Order: sequence, then structure tokens, then C-alpha cells
Amino acid sequence: GAVVSQHPSRVICKSGTSVKIECRSLDFQATTMFWYRQFPKQSLMLMATSNEGSKATYEQGVEKDKFLINHASLTLSTLTVTSAHPEDSSFYICSARPMTDTQYFGPGTRLTVL
Amino acid sequence: DQQVKQNSPSLSVQEGRISILNCDYTNSMFDYFLWYKKYPAEGPTFLISISSIKDKNEDGRFTVFLNKSAKHLSLHIVPSQPGDSAVYFCAARPLQGAQKLVFGQGTRLTINP
Repeated sequence: GAVVSQHPSRVICKSGTSVKIECRSLDFQATTMFWYRQFPKQSLMLMATSNEGSKATYEQGVEKDKFLINHASLTLSTLTVTSAHPEDSSFYICSARPMTDTQYFGPGTRLTVL
Repeated sequence: DQQVKQNSPSLSVQEGRISILNCDYTNSMFDYFLWYKKYPAEGPTFLISISSIKDKNEDGRFTVFLNKSAKHLSLHIVPSQPGDSAVYFCAARPLQGAQKLVFGQGTRLTINP
């Protein structure tokens, strides 16, 4: 149980385009999901907390207009990187928490902006 | 301000021996701690956790120890196996704060045959 999926696993896009990443909890409902970013050889940095039915809570320094988060249902959250630039290239990971204290992570999405 | 610290970026252990990964934290409001294992280009996989009301939790080859007075936790893996080679992250959850996790920098564990 407690499986989280992400789609796509890998995406390459041109600078200036927008990219949408989906995060789904497959066997549980999650009122809260989390979006992280990981740079090479660094730790996971929390970008935002996605709340079902309400606005996301962004961490300090994360641009709300650049990283749009929508938590449309109890099993789906999306992260849209708008007007992507090469510096947005990174590994994006989502997580969700069933009715336990443990967060379960998706497999991640590798974004490369050319 | 790094609230969760893993001071060893890497660790190399012989197969069959014990691997000990350490983690220190500064925020006394953390009440729940987790260890995750991560392979390159994959999401972290949950390993084991411990609540602040306990000082030890064991699951198979994995044992987590918590020393609240020292604000220190450790993950013991015994016996170590080649498949354990990965990056290990410790994470802590504050008592308040919508279940947000704060991660350490990670320790790359290499198990040598």
C-alpha cells in the first residue's frame, strides 16, 4: 500500500514553455501532498504544500507564479512550471501522506529545459 | 539554518558488517523522525521511523536509535548488503507545521563486497 506515482518520469522542453507534472496517490486519499526539488548531490528542498480544495502553501523563496500547484482531488496534485528556463532543470519529487505519520514519495520527474 | 544535519557525506562499509548512519537536529520541537533510502533518479523510499516518545525502533536489519537529550539519531543496518548502497536521508517532522518534513543533506553509503 501507500503508492505514489508521478508522470512524466522525464521531460525535456524548450525554454519559455510550460510543463505540467502530475502526482497521484494510487491506493489512498491525501488531503495534503508535498512538492520537493532536488539539485544534484543535494538534499530535498520542500517547495510547497498542496492542499486539496484550497491554495498551496509555498516555502520562502519559491515563486508562486512560476510553480503553479493545483490539488484538484484527494488523489491528484499537479505542478506546472511556467515559462521554464534552464535554471529550472531539476529533479522534482512529490509526496503524500495517508492517515499515518509517514510520507511516501513518488519516483520523481527529471525536468531538462534546453 | 540547517535544522537537520548529516555530517558524513559518505560512508563505506564491508559487506556483512554494521553500517551506522548518523543524524543530528537542532529543533527541539521535532517529534517524529524518519529515514529514507534513495537511488539516483528515483524518489526516496521509506525505511523506518521513530516517534519522540521512543528511543529505539527495529525492523528487520534496520534499527533506529533516538537520543533526545543529545538531539541525535542513528540508523543501524546489520548485516550490510550490497543492495544497501544508496543515499540515506534522515528527516524530521515538527510538532506543528502541517506535517512538513525537514531533510538532512544525505549520506552516501557504499557497501563493499
